[in-house]
Amino acid sequence: EIVMTQSPAALSVSPGERATLSCRASQSVSSNLAWYQQKPGQAPRLLIYGASTRATGIPARFSGSGSGTEFTLTISSLQSEDFAVYYCLQYNNWPQWTFGQGTKVEIK
Amino acid sequence: EVQLVESGGGLVQPGGSLRLSCAASGFTFSSYAMNWVRQAPGKGLEWVSGISVSGDGRYYADSVKGRFTISRDNSKSTLYLQMNSLRAEDTAVYYCAIVQRLSVWGKGTTVTVSS
Repeated sequence: EIVMTQSPAALSVSPGERATLSCRASQSVSSNLAWYQQKPGQAPRLLIYGASTRATGIPARFSGSGSGTEFTLTISSLQSEDFAVYYCLQYNNWPQWTFGQGTKVEIK
Repeated sequence: EVQLVESGGGLVQPGGSLRLSCAASGFTFSSYAMNWVRQAPGKGLEWVSGISVSGDGRYYADSVKGRFTISRDNSKSTLYLQMNSLRAEDTAVYYCAIVQRLSVWGKGTTVTVSS
């Protein structure tokens, strides 16, 4: 089983600042890595797939990078609506998806 | 519009059973593999089960293997999850999702296992 480890568990950031979230895979997942945003009471929302491709309608301030086992989600200038929990997902070995444990981005 | 709508959640006693449904619309359901994902209260996302396009391939997380059964009816564009021998730790919001279309998730249905 591929284990996905996100860091940090929580991140306090001021509006307008940059946030950098990390996700590490226990073995290579190539570029089959997605990032989701989830707000309370809502389903996850896809931000990034293929490690670096923004999903439809996602603002350019969200960017993803990495391949293999190390991945990063960067939010260049945090807006109020960006405070949420972010999950990475590896989908390299379907059917077994594996999620990271999440990073909570909080207002500083 | 591509849409997934889950139903069938509710309150059930430990050891009981429930069958969840996921009604699909706006796309060719029979062309896509499907997954169930759950989220326990205050916890992260957990893949539960997946099924191939034809239904021949069925896959389960170790935590539910032997208790849950995934199935699909392509003629009705509906995905199912039969959940037996339910435990308190199965309490969660259950989402269905399209494997090849990572952006499409349902809104979820809540399962509560409690006496």
